[in-house]
Amino acid sequence: AQSVAQPEDQVNVAEGNPLTVKCTYSVSGNPYLFWYVQYPNRGLQFLLKYITGDNLVKGSYGFEAEFNKSQTSFHLKKPSALVSDSALYFCAVSAMDTGRRALTFGSGTRLQVQP
Amino acid sequence: DADVTQTPRNRITKTGKRIMLECSQTKGHDRMYWYRQDPGLGLRLIYYSFDVKDINKGEISDGYSVSRQAQAKFSLSLESAIPNQTALYFCATSGHGTSGGADTQYFGPGTRLTVL
Repeated sequence: AQSVAQPEDQVNVAEGNPLTVKCTYSVSGNPYLFWYVQYPNRGLQFLLKYITGDNLVKGSYGFEAEFNKSQTSFHLKKPSALVSDSALYFCAVSAMDTGRRALTFGSGTRLQVQP
Repeated sequence: DADVTQTPRNRITKTGKRIMLECSQTKGHDRMYWYRQDPGLGLRLIYYSFDVKDINKGEISDGYSVSRQAQAKFSLSLESAIPNQTALYFCATSGHGTSGGADTQYFGPGTRLTVL
């Protein structure tokens, strides 16, 4: 079975400071990894994904994530946080199999950026 | 994403009632999904469909059924609603790439369902 852990329910950071939202995963074989963001009263929006290749993935709104196979992690990062980044962030994983398996999501991390 | 629409956006119903949530997409995607979101639990997969003739149960399908009426439409039904089905329900779609697990999923705005 595949699973995702987001160990922090909430992350607080001051505007202008770097931010990290943590994610670890468990999957049989090689993973596909995703980050989504949810703003209040909205659906989830895709930020970025890792399929293969470069371990550092760049995505929307200045976010990036680093795939670390040995630590089974895919932490989301941004060099300088904005108040508008405040939202709920979800990490998700699927396995490189026949493609019949859907995404498994983590429980979400609420990011609060203070002015 | 305006390309994935869900109706209704909000619904309050009573225990025992049958409820249908509808999802339509204009993205031309083959694959469609239904998730529920509960606080602290993230999103959990209820059902998914890889084409009109392919329906699969997710991790929490008990108490739910689905219908894929067309490539663009995927409905979720609660045959006899109960209070613990109170949640936020999301529909999602993805294309049919060569590596299906790598497909990005695009989400609708959600339906907030309350079962009294």
